[in-house]
Amino acid sequence: EAQVTQNPRYLITVTGKKLTVTCSQNMNHEYMSWYRQDPGLGLRQIYYSMNVEVTDKGDVPEGYKVSRKEKRNFPLILESPSPNQTSLYFCASSFRTVNSPLHFGNGTRLTVT
Amino acid sequence: EDQVTQSPEALRLQEGESSSLNCSYTVSGLRGLFWYRQDPGKGPEFLFTLYSAGEEKEKERLKATLTKKESFLHITAPKPEDSATYLCAVSSGANSKLTFGKGITLSVRP
Repeated sequence: EAQVTQNPRYLITVTGKKLTVTCSQNMNHEYMSWYRQDPGLGLRQIYYSMNVEVTDKGDVPEGYKVSRKEKRNFPLILESPSPNQTSLYFCASSFRTVNSPLHFGNGTRLTVT
Repeated sequence: EDQVTQSPEALRLQEGESSSLNCSYTVSGLRGLFWYRQDPGKGPEFLFTLYSAGEEKEKERLKATLTKKESFLHITAPKPEDSATYLCAVSSGANSKLTFGKGITLSVRP
């Protein structure tokens, strides 16, 4: 089944404790992206990747890192999480660019205390 | 900067009561306008892409239309299973990102 898989689904952590949210897609998609979704603010892009080893900042990249060493994986790294990063995070992929339909994972709900 | 505004924020319909959801946008050089559906606890699911003014697409009870300033998602004779949040997004120019609206939460009562 074609899908985008994120792990974990839920994560509670403390301020400053490094964490990684994994994202994997099995559709051989070139484009991958991370979004956060907050009430009243909608979906905002954090980082995106056009292909392996090519990443760039989205609208809200501060406090996040990403890497794209393999085509299928696009982990999101929070090196020193803070409470304002409490949010619902979505990974998404598409065939080539953002102009192709995005396939989303089911989300990771992160709480930073 | 691209902007997307969706209205109303929330809509409650009786089963069978047709209505429309609005997405107005401001972009420099529209590449595509997208509609997604999001169910609680899940990621958005792609519905339609529209590329140019005058274009229309249909899927079951949903029909999406596009003008130079806005898009409508028409829902004909909705059913309770159509209850969800509907998201509109635009891509423009050479940007490698989508700009999303805040979504419209649709509730259909039996």
